[in-house]
Amino acid sequence: AQSVTQLDSQVPVFEEAPVELRCNYSSSVSVYLFWYVQYPNQGLQLLLKYLSGSTLVESINGFEAEFNKSQTSFHLRKPSVHISDTAEYFCAVKDGAGKSTFGDGTTLTVKP
Amino acid sequence: EAGVAQSPRYKIIEKRQSVAFWCNPISGHATLYWYQQILGQGPKLLIQFQNNGVVDDSQLPKDRFSAERLKGVDSTLKIQPAKLEDSAVYLCASSMDRVSTDTQYFGPGTRLTVL
Repeated sequence: AQSVTQLDSQVPVFEEAPVELRCNYSSSVSVYLFWYVQYPNQGLQLLLKYLSGSTLVESINGFEAEFNKSQTSFHLRKPSVHISDTAEYFCAVKDGAGKSTFGDGTTLTVKP
Repeated sequence: EAGVAQSPRYKIIEKRQSVAFWCNPISGHATLYWYQQILGQGPKLLIQFQNNGVVDDSQLPKDRFSAERLKGVDSTLKIQPAKLEDSAVYLCASSMDRVSTDTQYFGPGTRLTVL
């Protein structure tokens, strides 16, 4: 069995400030790690993923996440957020059989 | 490339009624998923198809929910009869294959309200 805990349900932050969205997971097997974003009135989109190799992965819009195996974490960070980053962010794990488990989401609200 | 299509986008029914949702995955995608997303929670996998066969339906309430994927393309999810707790967004997703590294592409979802 696997589970995902997103430690903050809501994160308000001012524009151009840094942000960290926290994600911890548990699993008895090796998993792959994902962050999805859901903008208002849109579907879920893949933001970034960790499959293997370098533990630091980046997205095209400035987000990055670091896989920490010892702490079973995959926190998402951005050094300077924009209004357009306002969205709900979901952390997910996928096991070797292809089954995904999602966290309950973190709502990021960027204020001017 | 067209994305995952779902219909209807919204549905309101009364408890004990039946409802069906339709999903058309991205062309060529062998794996199709149905998720239930209750307000304030993350998506929960209901059923996963590989072509037209079921890979995982361990979290599907089989006494009232059913799903099929005829010819390995489109899929339909049915609820009969609906309960108040079935109010949720039903998401369909597809991926090239069931390989764990494949990206899942999500449709816009169907928002179901059961009164």
